[in-house]
Amino acid sequence: DTAVSQTPKYLVTQMGNDKSIKCEQNLGHDTMYWYKQDSKKFLKIMFSYNNKELIINETVPNRFSPKSPDKAHLNLHINSLELGDSAVYFCASSLLPGGGEKLFFGSGTQLSVL
Amino acid sequence: LAKTTQPISMDSYEGQEVNITCSHNNIATNDYITWYQQFPSQGPRFIIQGYKTKVTNEVASLFIPADRKSSTLSLPRVSLSDTAVYYCLVGEPLNAGNNRKLIWGLGTSLAVNP
Repeated sequence: DTAVSQTPKYLVTQMGNDKSIKCEQNLGHDTMYWYKQDSKKFLKIMFSYNNKELIINETVPNRFSPKSPDKAHLNLHINSLELGDSAVYFCASSLLPGGGEKLFFGSGTQLSVL
Repeated sequence: LAKTTQPISMDSYEGQEVNITCSHNNIATNDYITWYQQFPSQGPRFIIQGYKTKVTNEVASLFIPADRKSSTLSLPRVSLSDTAVYYCLVGEPLNAGNNRKLIWGLGTSLAVNP
């Protein structure tokens, strides 16, 4: 069983479209994250939820909206996609929030906006 | 900000020991130092974590001097499959409590040659 799974793995879409990426973890963790990795491989946190509550909200356009229906799921919806949104998006989870916590990552969703 | 600095890239040969050093001059008193490994098209994977002195697990060793302003990841007898990007991270306190966000650098791209 995959600990942190996200779908789809690849997403190719046109500018202006709205798309969603789903993430689920079966580790029983309280905290989940969305990270963005750009073409230069720089990994940057976007959002973090602890027990369904938003605790980290980085400087991300409000076209990006995370939703956590329960502790095991954290989805990412993106409105009005732009070329600059092309990147790999990683979902991750940890037992608790905190910089010292061990993170478990999904395999990533490669988003290409044409 | 607890920023880290690592070499951009390193080259090695199979069977050699590889040491990757990371500097983190502004590490906070309660911060832990964590290393992750990332293969192409995969999410980062936890390798090792420490607070001070030396930590060893089945994959690597982590050496942390008394001042904690740097750390060294040591990979014994590397193989081709150790070719990956290695990230060094320290936690950054966020407001109060345990809500911390990790700041990811560009990592060290390790190439292991036959």
